[in-house]
Amino acid sequence: EVQLVESGGGLVQPGRSLRLSCAASGFTFDDYAMDWVRQAPGKGLEWVSGISWNSGSIDYADSVKGRFTISRDNAKNSLYLQMNSLRAEDTALYYCARRVGFQYYFDYWGQGTLVTVSS
Amino acid sequence: QTVVTQEPSFSVSPGGTVTLTCGLSSGSVSTSYYPSWYQQTPGQAPRTLIYSTNTRSSGVPDRFSGSILGNKAALTITGAQADDESDYYCMLYMRSGISVFGGGTKLTVL
Repeated sequence: EVQLVESGGGLVQPGRSLRLSCAASGFTFDDYAMDWVRQAPGKGLEWVSGISWNSGSIDYADSVKGRFTISRDNAKNSLYLQMNSLRAEDTALYYCARRVGFQYYFDYWGQGTLVTVSS
Repeated sequence: QTVVTQEPSFSVSPGGTVTLTCGLSSGSVSTSYYPSWYQQTPGQAPRTLIYSTNTRSSGVPDRFSGSILGNKAALTITGAQADDESDYYCMLYMRSGISVFGGGTKLTVL
């Protein structure tokens, strides 16, 4: 069974940093690209960042470019999101999602980890 | 800045048919954008319904179908049921490596 379990969320002050993790199981992790998608409270889904299976291709939404860094450790079956210079508008539930690369869609989602940026 | 547009809300009667659309602020949606559709109920993670325009994800009932209608991607629900009441999001792949979600459509079944 495919499982994606996010962790690392919490309350953080504006300008500070936070690192999210996503532990994957039930599939061959390095066969898949992975992405982060977020959802602000009461709002819609927003694609944040994606990384190819070998980290050779990485992309970011304009809203986080230069502040967030996506990475993965295939030996640990884990995906990460380093978030720096956090802003109030980064407050959201952050989902990790498995991407079917050649068809550009997400077939499995985690349950999300909540990040709240507030003083 | 590319904006993906969806109807904010829609209503359908039980047993009825509804078509939700997914467009672009500039230009037309085609299959090369690999439109996908996701269903989300409150407090739950999204569920994948449709990918590559018209392919149903595993376990999705055949009352859900995807297509290109005119210059937009479309999700049609035929024979709507009460538990189809959800938020529906489309996503387009922008070929620059990024993906963009639409703002979502809140579907009411009543």
